[in-house]
Amino acid sequence: DGGITQSPKYLFRKEGQNVTLSCEQNLNHDAMYWYRQDPGQGLRLIYYSQIVNDFQKGDIAEGYSVSREKKESFPLTVTSAQKNPTAFYLCASSITGATDTQYFGPGTRLTVL
Amino acid sequence: GESVGLHLPTLSVQEGDNSIINCAYSNSASDYFIWYKQESGKGPQFIIDIRSNMDKRQGQRVTVLLNKTVKHLSLQIAATQPGDSAVYFCAETRAAYKYIFGTGTRLKVLA
Repeated sequence: DGGITQSPKYLFRKEGQNVTLSCEQNLNHDAMYWYRQDPGQGLRLIYYSQIVNDFQKGDIAEGYSVSREKKESFPLTVTSAQKNPTAFYLCASSITGATDTQYFGPGTRLTVL
Repeated sequence: GESVGLHLPTLSVQEGDNSIINCAYSNSASDYFIWYKQESGKGPQFIIDIRSNMDKRQGQRVTVLLNKTVKHLSLQIAATQPGDSAVYFCAETRAAYKYIFGTGTRLKVLA
């Protein structure tokens, strides 16, 4: 069963904690993305990766970090430096980084307590 | 459930009627457009796409129309069903990694 998986579905963070959101894909896609979704706003790009061991900042990278050690995996760490982390986080992938369709995972809802 | 979409414009249609959801895109240089469907608490699901060298593309029960003159994109859903209830948003891109996503329209299907 091919697709993109994200875990956990719900995540709670205390002030000052770092948390890591998992994203895995078995579509053999080169490019992967992390977006943040807030009520009433379009998706905003946090980080993207064109290929293994390479990633670039998106529009709202401050307070976040990523790694791309394997083609299938693109974890996102929300650090304590992110002042307003409560949001719905979406991971996506596409065959290449060109103008391709992006396919999304089911999302992780992060709430700061 | 997921709070995304609380303040979105809403389109209410009767079950069995056709739905038309509109999107004004921002950049005349955009050359690829996608429609997504997002149900509450879930990730966006690809519906249909269109390239700028086309005006119309049809899928199963869905049609996308592109009017480049006025930078307008529309999604038509034929014979709307209760399972079509969701938030629909468009995306445009003109370059790699530069996708712009709309805020979306909530579709409510009335029985």
